[in-house]
This record gives sequence, C-alpha cells and structure tokens, in this order.
Amino acid sequence: GEDVEQSLFLSVREGDSSVINCTYTDSSSTYLYWYKQEPGAGLQLLTYIFSNMDMKQDQRLTVLLNKKDKHLSLRIADTQTGDSAIYFCAETGLTGGGNKLTFGTGTQLKVEL
Amino acid sequence: NAGVTQTPKFQVLKTGQSMTLQCAQDMNHNSMYWYRQDPGMGLRLIYYSASEGTTDKGEVPNGYNVSRLNKREFSLRLESAAPSQTSVYFCASSPGTANSGNTIYFGEGSWLTVV
Repeated sequence: GEDVEQSLFLSVREGDSSVINCTYTDSSSTYLYWYKQEPGAGLQLLTYIFSNMDMKQDQRLTVLLNKKDKHLSLRIADTQTGDSAIYFCAETGLTGGGNKLTFGTGTQLKVEL
Repeated sequence: NAGVTQTPKFQVLKTGQSMTLQCAQDMNHNSMYWYRQDPGMGLRLIYYSASEGTTDKGEVPNGYNVSRLNKREFSLRLESAAPSQTSVYFCASSPGTANSGNTIYFGEGSWLTVV
C-alpha cells in the first residue's frame, strides 16, 4: 500500500529556518498536505500543493515538491516558539478512490530559545 | 463556528464494554472520516463515508462499526472494547473526495483508554 515517511524529530533555534521533509510512494498522488498538531489538539491544515506544482509559498511557509523523487518539504522561515508542534505530511491520490488520506508518522518540531 | 465536533473528549472503558463516539459537522460536507492516532504510527483511517448513505472500510476497520446517521453525523462504535483500541480518535470531514483538493477538517480528538 501507499507509504509516507518522515523523520521523527527536528530541533531548531528560534529565528532560524526549519525544513521538514517527507517522502511518499504513491505515484498517483494528486494532492499533498501539511498539517500541524499542537499538544492535546486536533490537526490543523497548514497548506497543500497540487501534484503539478513545484512550489507554493504562503507567508512564512514554503512547500517544495519533487514529484520525480516523491519528496515533499515544508520550510518555515523565522521559526518561532509557537511553531513547536508535530507536523504531518499527508497525500491522497487515485489509489483508494480518492477518499483515503495517507499520513506520515509526524515530525516533532522543537524550537529552542 | 463549530466545525467538526466530537464527543466524548475523554473516556475510560473496561475490556469488553461497548461505546459510541459521536461526531457532527456543521459545514454541509459530503464526506466524513474516522481516524485513530497512535504514537509513531501517524493517523490511520478506520472508516469513511464518501456521502450520506454510504460507508466504507479504511485501513484498520476491525473491531469498529460506523453509522452515517444523516449528512451531519457520523458515529463510530466499539462493540467490545480491547486494550489495543486505546488511542486518540479523530473525526474529520471534507466537502467532497480528498483527491479533488477538498480540505479535510478535523475535530479536536477523543482520548480513549481501554483497561
């Protein structure tokens, strides 16, 4: 079946850029998403990218997609302590009828002062 | 704006007990989902309902049943709870199918412990 992989932890200093990486296996992926989960809360959609795009920028967030390598990244510029959370990569495609969103294991971002 | 509301937020069950997690959305969405979240495993789809009147199994359906009561409500039932079902459960909804770029909105989660 489809698989989405992420590293489990990332630690950065406040003010630096954070880059969270994700790889996926589903070649039919149409949309790829980044969700943020703060402690004790649900998942909040940060951004998504359609598979025919290479890059999407939204304020401090930049999403890069390398479809050939099936690699997705999320860059957070000027990382703040409020960015500390778990970040999930997710993808959906034709496999599963378009209703199955496959999530990665999540990357816990820790922002240090 | 309520969005996706699920209840209860916390529940402790004894092995073998049954319970139903309730979920409602007020966004007039067609599709609804139930996920479970376990440490180191991300979110896994239990069941989903593409539209009112339909339900389908996801990745980990065993031990669960669902009911799409109407367009707003999608409940998840554990008939005989097992310790392996200790998890955080998330209900979600989207306007249509996920691969049409429709954003999936999540509830706040239900923490279930089976002892």
